[in-house]
Amino acid sequence: GAVVSQHPSWVICKSGTSVKIECRSLDFQATTMFWYRQFPKQSLMLMATSNEGSKATYEQGVEKDKFLINHASLTLSTLTVTSAHPEDSSFYICSAWTVANYGYTFGSGTRLTVV
Amino acid sequence: SQQGEEDPQALSIQEGENATMNCSYKTSINNLQWYRQNSGRGLVHLILIRSNEREKHSGRLRVTLDTSKKSSSLLITASRAADTASYFCATDAKDTDKLIFGTGTRLQVFP
Repeated sequence: GAVVSQHPSWVICKSGTSVKIECRSLDFQATTMFWYRQFPKQSLMLMATSNEGSKATYEQGVEKDKFLINHASLTLSTLTVTSAHPEDSSFYICSAWTVANYGYTFGSGTRLTVV
Repeated sequence: SQQGEEDPQALSIQEGENATMNCSYKTSINNLQWYRQNSGRGLVHLILIRSNEREKHSGRLRVTLDTSKKSSSLLITASRAADTASYFCATDAKDTDKLIFGTGTRLQVFP
C-alpha cells in the first residue's frame, strides 16, 4: 500500500532556530499534502494544504511566514518552522491524498521540542 | 471552528465491556473515518463509512452514520486493555479535499 515517510520522528532545537520536517510519498505521487499540528491531549488541527508546484493554502490563524511549506515535487513536501519558540513545541504530522488507503495516507509524525 | 465534536472526551471501562464514542460534524461529507492514536504516536486507520452508508462493521468495530443529524458513532465491543488509546473521527467534506478531525475521545480500558 501507499506509504508516507516523515522525518525526523523527533527533534529538539533551540529557541530562535529553524527546523525542517520532510514528508515523502513512497511508490505514489502526491499532488496534495496536508500538514497537521497536535498539542498534547488535543486533536489534530489542519495547518495548511500543500499543492505541488503552487503556494500552500493556510488555515485561518496559521502564520504562513512562520510555517513555510514547500511542495516542489510530486513526492516531497517540507514544513519549516522558522524562528521556533517553545510554544511551537508540538506533534506535526503530514498526510498525502491518494486513491489507495482510504484516500489519506499519514506520516508517522514529528515531535518537535523547542528549548 | 471546522472541527467536529466528539463525546465523551474521556471514557474509562473494564475489559470486556463495550465502548461507544460519538462524533458530530458540521458540513456535508463524502465520507467519515475513524482513527486510533496511541499516546504520542501516529494514526491508525480503523474504518471508513461513506455518506450513503448507514452502518458498517469491521471485527469488533461497529460504525453508524446519520447524515440527517450529521453524527456518527463508533462502538468497540468486548474491549481489551490494548484498545486503550485516543479515537478520532475525521470527515472529508464535499466542497473541499480536506480531512477535518473531531476533538477525540480518550479511552482507557482497565484489565
